[in-house]
Amino acid sequence: GDSVTQMEGPVTLSEEAFLTINCTYTATGYPSLFWYVQYPGEGLQLLLKATKADDKGSNKGFEATYRKETTSFHLEKGSVQVSDSAVYFCALATGGSYIPTFGRGTSLIVHP
Amino acid sequence: SQTIHQWPATLVQPVGSPLSLECTVEGTSNPNLYWYRQAAGRGLQLLFYSVGIGQISSEVPQNLSASRPQDRQFILSSKKLLLSDSGFYLCAWSVRGGRETQYFGPGTRLLVL
Repeated sequence: GDSVTQMEGPVTLSEEAFLTINCTYTATGYPSLFWYVQYPGEGLQLLLKATKADDKGSNKGFEATYRKETTSFHLEKGSVQVSDSAVYFCALATGGSYIPTFGRGTSLIVHP
Repeated sequence: SQTIHQWPATLVQPVGSPLSLECTVEGTSNPNLYWYRQAAGRGLQLLFYSVGIGQISSEVPQNLSASRPQDRQFILSSKKLLLSDSGFYLCAWSVRGGRETQYFGPGTRLLVL
């Protein structure tokens, strides 16, 4: 079946540091790929998405590129802020299922 | 624009008591609806999903149940809560069909004592 693997957290960075959160996937179909963010005490919200190979999703300074050859969708940001502290979930959704597949989430802590 | 509501926001219940959590969606029709549970420090666990009124699929056998009495209303229930039911409950919707974005509600934090 489909699966998403994210790097274990927490990831702890200083403000203005470069961020990478790795995400790899396996899927039987041709999935759309997503990054969701969950701030403390809130629900998840879509951060960015990509629907086909080589597409780059971007939002709020975050980027991720759909790499079909390496089955990856790594999240990057050039300069993190304290306000980026949250849990980040990588996810996929295929056309053959109503049920998306989520990774376990990676906690990011940014210190001033 | 679409909006998703959940209530209550927080709930403290004794073991053995009943539960009813409600989720409603505005601004869309015929959505897929989902209930997830998130234990402290853990990932998302899909509990139920629904593709139409009265159509409920259960992903995890347990003492919870779900109902969809109206197109944009999704209810999570239990007759007798267990300590292990404590967690953060999230409702979500998506447009019909696969490969779609999920839109989450603000969540209900449930503590069973």
